[in-house]
Amino acid sequence: DVKVTQSSRYLVKRTGEKVFLECVQDMDHENMFWYRQDPGLGLRLIYFSYDVKMKEKGDIPEGYSVSREKKERFSLILESASTNQTSMYLCASSLGRVHRGAGTEAFFGQGTRLTVV
Amino acid sequence: DQQVKQNSPSLSVQEGRISILNCDYTNSMFDYFLWYKKYPAEGPTFLISISSIKDKNEDGRFTVFLNKSAKHLSLHIVPSQPGDSAVYFCAAIDFNAGNMLTFGGGTRLMVKP
Repeated sequence: DVKVTQSSRYLVKRTGEKVFLECVQDMDHENMFWYRQDPGLGLRLIYFSYDVKMKEKGDIPEGYSVSREKKERFSLILESASTNQTSMYLCASSLGRVHRGAGTEAFFGQGTRLTVV
Repeated sequence: DQQVKQNSPSLSVQEGRISILNCDYTNSMFDYFLWYKKYPAEGPTFLISISSIKDKNEDGRFTVFLNKSAKHLSLHIVPSQPGDSAVYFCAAIDFNAGNMLTFGGGTRLMVKP
């Protein structure tokens, strides 16, 4: 079974703090993604990565950065946390870009509920 | 502008009956569609998918229908069970733009015993 593990289930941080959310996958997937989930808005893509040291902006990258130094690890960084970044953060991984059709579904971690106070 | 929309935020169904969850999309370049199920405080889990070259895919109690001309897909669950109560997300992929998923807003399904 594919396993995507996020380092924390719940986090509470203060406004202005630098926050690191860690994600590790064990299936040698090339693609990794960070989404945030907010009520009524579904899952919105923050950043994604197709390979080590590669990153691409998603739909809502402002206020975030990412790091992918190793294939299995994808970190999301909130440079200076703000209250509007209170959300559920979800990491996912999937097979590489050359794959199409069946098998390209993304596998998600359990999520990190971040509260910024 | 949302490219994938789920217009019903919630749906309530009696156990044993059919649940029909709907999804509309605007991007004609999408070539693969997926449904995910999400319980509270857990990550989404993949349920079923369909390629744009098909109009139906079935897996046990779950069937996904795709109407490409209407840019509409639906998930049918028959028979519905209380354990199916969750939030269901529709998602789409444009492989030429990369393998990232574009999600709808979700529909909360409640199956009453």
